[in-house]
Amino acid sequence: RKEVEQDPGPFNVPEGATVAFNCTYSNSASQSFFWYRQDCRKEPKLLMSVYSSGNEDGRFTAQLNRASQYISLLIRDSKLSDSATYLCVVNGNAGNMLTFGGGTRLMVKP
Amino acid sequence: DTAVSQTPKYLVTQMGNDKSIKCEQNLGHDTMYWYKQDSKKFLKIMFSYNNKELIINETVPNRFSPKSPDKAHLNLHINSLELGDSAVYFCASSPRRGPTGYGYTFGSGTRLTVV
Repeated sequence: RKEVEQDPGPFNVPEGATVAFNCTYSNSASQSFFWYRQDCRKEPKLLMSVYSSGNEDGRFTAQLNRASQYISLLIRDSKLSDSATYLCVVNGNAGNMLTFGGGTRLMVKP
Repeated sequence: DTAVSQTPKYLVTQMGNDKSIKCEQNLGHDTMYWYKQDSKKFLKIMFSYNNKELIINETVPNRFSPKSPDKAHLNLHINSLELGDSAVYFCASSPRRGPTGYGYTFGSGTRLTVV
């Protein structure tokens, strides 16, 4: 079982749609959780941290369910510029290294 | 003003050659990392250095040797390059050992192609 698993997609949605991604992680001792965004041929960039109580940043909402070991990202009112790969990231087993999921690709269409 | 800079951006070389990738960060971070992103887009940790000291060395062939002359620099030297080494290599840094809730800052990547 991979340490961090995501549906690779692609998710094809129209502009204005709401879309949700989930990810599961295997290490129950993980303490830090993030969503990163990676555009084609670019480096990953931190989108938002994920807190136990859930958190929101504009159109983006992240949730953490420790009991089920899954993390979600909700994007409301999708924009064309949201098209990218979204990486679920968890601190791993050794020395708090970040472990990346394989990413979920989102394509927002006009 | 670039926070984490890597050179070169692109590297095309023949099998068997030796090459180096350089990374520098001006964020004052203590910890630096090398990640490899293969053709399937998985990002995997290779090495981590904390204030010039090697912390993590994942299962990476001995042909890969990181060097950290100071905490702002982490270079990667690769000997006897193989076709399977073709990938994008990302350097990253964080404020201290572990993500501390701030995540990592990545360089723009070095796209290595071995022919």
